[in-house]
Amino acid sequence: AQSVTQPDIHITVSEGASLELRCNYSYGATPYLFWYVQSPGQGLQLLLKYFSGDTLVQGIKGFEAEFKRSQSSFNLRKPSVHWSDAAEYFCAVGKLTGGGNKLTFGTGTQLKVEL
Amino acid sequence: DTEVTQTPKHLVMGMTNKKSLKCEQHMGHRAMYWYKQKAKKPPELMFVYSYEKLSINESVPSRFSPECPNSSLLNLHLHALQPEDSALYLCASSQEPGQGASYTEAFFGQGTRLTVV
Repeated sequence: AQSVTQPDIHITVSEGASLELRCNYSYGATPYLFWYVQSPGQGLQLLLKYFSGDTLVQGIKGFEAEFKRSQSSFNLRKPSVHWSDAAEYFCAVGKLTGGGNKLTFGTGTQLKVEL
Repeated sequence: DTEVTQTPKHLVMGMTNKKSLKCEQHMGHRAMYWYKQKAKKPPELMFVYSYEKLSINESVPSRFSPECPNSSLLNLHLHALQPEDSALYLCASSQEPGQGASYTEAFFGQGTRLTVV
């Protein structure tokens, strides 16, 4: 069964500092990987995705992620964090089921940005 | 248009009430989903509809009854809920592999915040 681990429950960074959020996955085949962001009381917004090809993927809002098969990781990075980036970040792995796609989410990382 | 619209945004219901959550998308997606998210937890899949047919039910109690009247609409009928069912209910949609791509991402709505009293 697929699973996702986000080892950091909370992360605090200063505005303008760089950010890296960790994600490790467990999946038997080629994984479909995602990062979503969620502001309080809101839905999920897709930041970026990895299906195949180039292992460094660019997303919205200046985020990027690198897929490393040898480490089963898909870490999210941003070179300079803005106060508006404070939110909950979820890493997810997707699985084709033959009738829709099943997403399994990690437990999330709460990002706090200090001004 | 990459929007999934959910109504209502907030709902308070008693344990004997019957209510429905609604979800609509106009992206031509043929897979639609209901997820449940408790506070401080990740979303958990409840149901998947593929081409208007229920394809996945993650052992959800029968007090939750999904319905997909057409390819753009998804409902979740609620009856005799318990206080522990209070949560954010998220709807999502995605293309199916038969629509041209082997895999595509899911687009989520803003959710319905449900409180059962």
